[in-house]
Amino acid sequence: DADVTQTPRNRITKTGKRIMLECSQTKGHDRMYWYRQDPGLGLRLIYYSFDVKDINKGEISDGYSVSRQAQAKFSLSLESAIPNQTALYFCATSDPGLAYNEQFFGPGTRLTVL
Amino acid sequence: GNSVTQMEGPVTLSEEAFLTINCTYTATGYPSLFWYVQYPGEGLQLLLKATKADDKGSNKGFEATYRKETTSFHLEKGSVQVSDSAVYFCALKDGTSYGKLTFGQGTILTVHP
Repeated sequence: DADVTQTPRNRITKTGKRIMLECSQTKGHDRMYWYRQDPGLGLRLIYYSFDVKDINKGEISDGYSVSRQAQAKFSLSLESAIPNQTALYFCATSDPGLAYNEQFFGPGTRLTVL
Repeated sequence: GNSVTQMEGPVTLSEEAFLTINCTYTATGYPSLFWYVQYPGEGLQLLLKATKADDKGSNKGFEATYRKETTSFHLEKGSVQVSDSAVYFCALKDGTSYGKLTFGQGTILTVHP
């Protein structure tokens, strides 16, 4: 079984709809991250969380919100989706006790906003 | 701020060819450097890493050397295989406590038989 899972894997929605992307992990890591990937731009950090009570904005947080429901769960919401939020979204986890604070990624959610 | 620049792709090679994907970075302090690989339909996986100048990271036949004087971390492989077809990302992690990763734009590699 995958250590970091994301649901849904694919989603098509319309402008103005509220969307939630979910991430779950069984690695026992405290730190979780949400990134978006756009062609030619690499991955950009949206939000990150060090533990259930610690949530921080990344470089492109506008239009997004997150919820850390438990150590193992970190959800990303788009309150009112717009077409330029069409992208591939990745969740990642890490643990500061690991060498190099390596991050482990989920398989991604492909979101299309029409 | 930190930044990572990768050579523009896509890169198309024949099997057993030599691969180089260039990566240069801008950062304050002494970052750690990484190469991640993304196979079709999957998330990113750490391929190799280096934490200080002159360190060489290696894995699965890939190598990269941390060159502080040229601020580079070029990825190389002597003989690529079809199974190496993927997207490769260079990334750096600065010394802050949360270790934010800064990624390059990614390079698509396609290897033909």
